[in-house]
Amino acid sequence: NAGVTQTPKFRILKIGQSMTLQCTQDMNHNYMYWYRQDPGMGLKLIYYSVGAGITDKGEVPNGYNVSRSTTEDFPLRLELAAPSQTSVYFCASGGTSSYNEQFFGPGTRLTVL
Amino acid sequence: KNEVEQSPQNLTAQEGEFITINCSYSVGISALHWLQQHPGGGIVSLFMLSSGKKKHGRLIATINIQEKHSSLHITASHPRDSAVYICAVSQFGGTSYGKLTFGQGTILTVHP
Repeated sequence: NAGVTQTPKFRILKIGQSMTLQCTQDMNHNYMYWYRQDPGMGLKLIYYSVGAGITDKGEVPNGYNVSRSTTEDFPLRLELAAPSQTSVYFCASGGTSSYNEQFFGPGTRLTVL
Repeated sequence: KNEVEQSPQNLTAQEGEFITINCSYSVGISALHWLQQHPGGGIVSLFMLSSGKKKHGRLIATINIQEKHSSLHITASHPRDSAVYICAVSQFGGTSYGKLTFGQGTILTVHP
């Protein structure tokens, strides 16, 4: 099993550009999450999904959108990139319980200039 | 005040020393997680616990639910233990959906 995979690993965007961060898991987990990690700050939840077709906002959703058409995939869309979205983005997945380990992807380092 | 507080924020040790990282939280939880992140690397789950104590190799995690406090101990520290250690909690309740609230992390550097 590959676990949680993310692409790309690195990306530089210009202000106003858009992009999609890809996340795929092969553990058949229902719960998936997108977090961002800013220097010196703890990780913050952007969006989460409890199953295909079901998504909801987390703590910092502004400027992002998500979709969940399959159990495996949970892409994160950035529209009109801003410098404040410069961060490291982690996708994670977990089982259908609040008492489940979360498995993290390797992260995407995004810079918006 | 953050819901999850870690201390210290930075920790420097000599190889072989016993290390303790602390985590306090202010919400009801279903589980507390300890995570490890090496420089430039991904995030790995070390422990998930809701009571008592867990041990894996040189790492020990404890939790006191009444005091809302957890500690991560590293015995006989080694330079390869140098990493950021992150405490996170998943809150209690049917709509928590396993969402994690994170502490700010403790940067550990172990010198040879």
